[in-house]
Amino acid sequence: GEDVEQSLFLSVREGDSSVINCTYTDSSSTYLYWYKQEPGAGLQLLTYIFSNMDMKQDQRLTVLLNKKDKHLSLRIADTQTGDSAIYFCAEILGGATNKLIFGTGTLLAVQP
Amino acid sequence: NAGVTQTPKFRVLKTGQSMTLLCAQDMNHEYMYWYRQDPGMGLRLIHYSVGEGTTAKGEVPDGYNVSRLKKQNFLLGLESAAPSQTSVYFCASVAGVYNEQFFGPGTRLTVL
Repeated sequence: GEDVEQSLFLSVREGDSSVINCTYTDSSSTYLYWYKQEPGAGLQLLTYIFSNMDMKQDQRLTVLLNKKDKHLSLRIADTQTGDSAIYFCAEILGGATNKLIFGTGTLLAVQP
Repeated sequence: NAGVTQTPKFRVLKTGQSMTLLCAQDMNHEYMYWYRQDPGMGLRLIHYSVGEGTTAKGEVPDGYNVSRLKKQNFLLGLESAAPSQTSVYFCASVAGVYNEQFFGPGTRLTVL
């Protein structure tokens, strides 16, 4: 079945790097995504990676994709207290519906 | 542009009552989605629509109905609310080559 897995919690100190991991199941997913949810708010797209890429860098964010192991990671360099949030990875299912399957979310707590 | 808006923001219902949640988007998107978010379970797809006049079931459709009479609006109905429907409900619409989902701010529903 379709299942996207993430660890539930990560705690880092301000200024350190954070790495959030995700495993997905649908090898035909064309795009994989990272969304950020701040308290009391909806989800916002942070970044995405196309399935034929291994890595994507966007300022402090680095996404790594290992298609063989179906493993996706998000690295946040120089983590700030404003990065404290829940981070969701998501994969898009094949077909014309554009449906996303979300992971359970990782709560990132940044300690000052 | 207001993006994706949801009304109401909060609601408390008694078991057996009915209500309708409204999602509106002003971006002319074809695809719209209703999710529910529960602790430790990520987002689960309730129903979705690939265009005006169309709806389809998602992962957890039981107890909900939807309508998409106008392209910009997607309504989620609860005919007879149950405590198991206590959740935060998010609406999203999709655009772009990489299928970015734009989320509304959410509706927090409590069923007593």
